[in-house]
Amino acid sequence: QKEVEQNSGPLSVPEGAIASLNCTYSDRGSQSFFWYRQYSGKSPELIMFIYSNGDKEDGRFTAQLNKASQYVSLLIRDSQPSDSATYLCAVLSNTGNQFYFGTGTSLTVIP
Amino acid sequence: DTGVSQDPRHKITKRGQNVTFRCDPISEHNRLYWYRQTLGQGPEFLTYFQNEAQLEKSRLLSDRFSAERPKGSFSTLEIQRTEQGDSAMYLCASSLASNLDEQFFGPGTRLTVL
Repeated sequence: QKEVEQNSGPLSVPEGAIASLNCTYSDRGSQSFFWYRQYSGKSPELIMFIYSNGDKEDGRFTAQLNKASQYVSLLIRDSQPSDSATYLCAVLSNTGNQFYFGTGTSLTVIP
Repeated sequence: DTGVSQDPRHKITKRGQNVTFRCDPISEHNRLYWYRQTLGQGPEFLTYFQNEAQLEKSRLLSDRFSAERPKGSFSTLEIQRTEQGDSAMYLCASSLASNLDEQFFGPGTRLTVL
């Protein structure tokens, strides 16, 4: 079982819609969870992190965490074509020494 | 530019040759990570340093791979006797040990082994 699992997509949404990206993780002791965006040919850039159950909002982005279900999600409201990228879910190991990344979900926002 | 830098950005080599990559982290960051990323996959952890100490290596890391961070600043990753399967993007990232939430990635070094 992989430490972090994501649906690779591709996910397509029309401009202005809500994009919903999901991630599950295997280590119940994990405490910190991250979403990165990666444009084609570029390196990952941090969008948000979350470590408490519930929702965390930052502009058009909302991260949701459910530790009981070992589930993390990212909602992108009012999706824009510039949001088209691969979104990587990452989990910090319970030792705080390693980041485990999922394979990423490819998102396309259609104008 | 005060971000993470990597050199070279691209490297083409023949199978069996040795290659070395360099990473310069953000100056005050004491943690430095190396990752490998292949097409369609997320970054795969290779190793990390806190200051000059290499504290963890991936179990998947072949003994052909070695990394150093001699003065706790820049780091080098060397691959000996390269194989075609080593072709990938090698990413470096840095953070503060006191703030692991913010890990910043460099632009990567793309290695092609012919």
